[in-house]
Parts: sequence; C-alpha cells; structure tokens
Amino acid sequence: GAVVSQHPSWVICKSGTSVKIECRSLDFQATTMFWYRQFPKQSLMLMATSNEGSKATYEQGVEKDKFLINHASLTLSTLTVTSAHPEDSSFYICSARDWDRAGYGYTFGSGTRLTVV
Amino acid sequence: AQSVTQLDSQVPVFEEAPVELRCNYSSSVSVYLFWYVQYPNQGLQLLLKYLSGSTLVKGINGFEAEFNKSQTSFHLRKPSVHISDTAEYFCAVSEQGAQKLVFGQGTRLTINP
Repeated sequence: GAVVSQHPSWVICKSGTSVKIECRSLDFQATTMFWYRQFPKQSLMLMATSNEGSKATYEQGVEKDKFLINHASLTLSTLTVTSAHPEDSSFYICSARDWDRAGYGYTFGSGTRLTVV
Repeated sequence: AQSVTQLDSQVPVFEEAPVELRCNYSSSVSVYLFWYVQYPNQGLQLLLKYLSGSTLVKGINGFEAEFNKSQTSFHLRKPSVHISDTAEYFCAVSEQGAQKLVFGQGTRLTINP
C-alpha cells in the first residue's frame, strides 16, 4: 500500500529558531498533501492543504508566515515552523491523498513531535 | 461544511468482549467515511473506509463498520477485542468533490484483562 514517510520523528529546538519537517510519498505521486497539528489527547486539526506547484491553502486562524509550506515536487512537501516559540510545541502529522483498489483515501505519516525550549 | 461527532470520548471494555465505537456525521452532500487508529506517538493507520457500494465495510484487525445514511452514522464494531486494540480511534469524513478530511474528537478504547 501507499507509504508516507515523515522526518524527523522528533525534534527539540531553541525558541526563535526555525524547524523544517519533511513529508515524502514513497511509492506514489501525491498531488495533494495535508498538514495537521495535534495537541495532547485531542483530535487532528487541519492546518493547510498543499497542492504540488501552487500555494498552500491555510485554514482559518493558521499563520501563513509562521507555518511555511512548500510542495515543490509530486513526492515532497515540507512544513517550516519559523521563529518557533514554546506554544508551537505539538505533534505535527502530514497526509497525502492516494488511491488503492477500493478507491481514493488518505495515508498519514508517522508524525513529528516538536518541542520548543 | 461537514462535521463529525464521536459520541464517546472513552470506552473501557474487557478483553474478548464486543465493542462499538459510535460516529455520526453532518453534511449537505454525499460523503466518504473513514475510521483510523492511532497508537501513542504515531501517525494514523487506516482501519476501513466507505466510498460507495455495500454499506457494511470490513477492515483490518477484525473491525467492521456500517454506513447508515438515514441516521448519518458510521459506527465501528469488533466482536471480540484484544489488549492490542488499546488505542485512540478517529472517525473522519470527506465530502464528495472536496479535498479535506475532517476528524471527530476521537475515542480512547481501553481494553482491560
């Protein structure tokens, strides 16, 4: 089945620095990828939808300048958290639309635990 | 816009007992429905999905779900649970013609020996 690889799985950074998270589709082309944020014991909150070769569409309330999304190829999308602060600490998960014998679906990466100190 | 409600935030069950996790959705158009499982500090794994056809959908690990359009529900069931089923379960909906997937609040399934 479809596989989405997300790296790093965890990262600790100092307040004020930037962190890049990568999301790759390993065995299929992902024209559309999604970025979610998950707080402890809560559900996934969609941050943005990225389409290859175009600007990402951000959900209401998500700061575009803080969470930079790039989807320059059909297999790679990146999320950069700029000037990170402790309140940005969270679990970030990417997802890609894919197709199997049963039709279309969504495959998720393994997530990135970001801790800003 | 679509929305998803998972009626139970926590469900404790004894091992080998049956379980049902409830999910209701709201949408003005046709939808696709999904159930995912999440283990601690991991991403989401697809259990099953309903796109069209038979309303009873069978998934991995012995789970199944039934799409009920009149009741706008997509409840997840398993006839006999195992300790390894302890995890967070998410119901999600995507409207036909839309890209995004909207999640319910999640249900924590705890299996007691």
